Amino acid sequence: DVKVTQSSRYLVKRTGEKVFLECVQDMDHENMFWYRQDPGLGLRLIYFSYDVKMKEKGDIPEGYSVSREKKERFSLILESASTNQTSMYLCASSRMGPRMNTEAFFGQGTRLTVV
Amino acid sequence: SQQGEEDPQALSIQEGENATMNCSYKTSINNLQWYRQNSGRGLVHLILIRSNEREKHSGRLRVTLDTSKKSSSLLITASRAADTASYFCATSSGSRLTFGEGTQLTVNP
Repeated sequence: DVKVTQSSRYLVKRTGEKVFLECVQDMDHENMFWYRQDPGLGLRLIYFSYDVKMKEKGDIPEGYSVSREKKERFSLILESASTNQTSMYLCASSRMGPRMNTEAFFGQGTRLTVV
Repeated sequence: SQQGEEDPQALSIQEGENATMNCSYKTSINNLQWYRQNSGRGLVHLILIRSNEREKHSGRLRVTLDTSKKSSSLLITASRAADTASYFCATSSGSRLTFGEGTQLTVNP
């Protein structure tokens, strides 16, 4: 079974802290994604990566950065956490088919609270 | 801005009825996917339809895609209480995978 593992299920951080959310997949997928999910807003794409050290901005990259030093690991970084970044963060990975994504597999999510 | 927009936002039906959810999108796509999310859990892939396909079936699921109207629909036939969940469409363009806001489906026993 494909497994996407997020390092924490729940996280509480203080305003201004640097926060790292880690995601690891075990299926050698090329693509990895970070989303945040807020009530009524669905899933919004923060960043995605299609290869090691390659990244592209999603729809809401402000206040976030990412790192992909190894194929299996994709990290989301909140440089200086703010209360409006309190949210559920979802990581996903997918294999790249011929010029298109195949199905994505999701982690269980990290519920981040910034106080 | 989000690529996919689902309609309706919420749907409540009785067990045994059919449920139809719609998704509209804005730009060109390679494929469109539907996912399900049970409360507080991660998303699970249901079905993928390529841009050159018009209809696809999987068990009780039927998906249609109209690229001229930039829209898709998901039909769940003979619904069950266990189908209660949020359903999301996702559009794939290259490596980018963008989700909509979802439809909350409630199936009453």
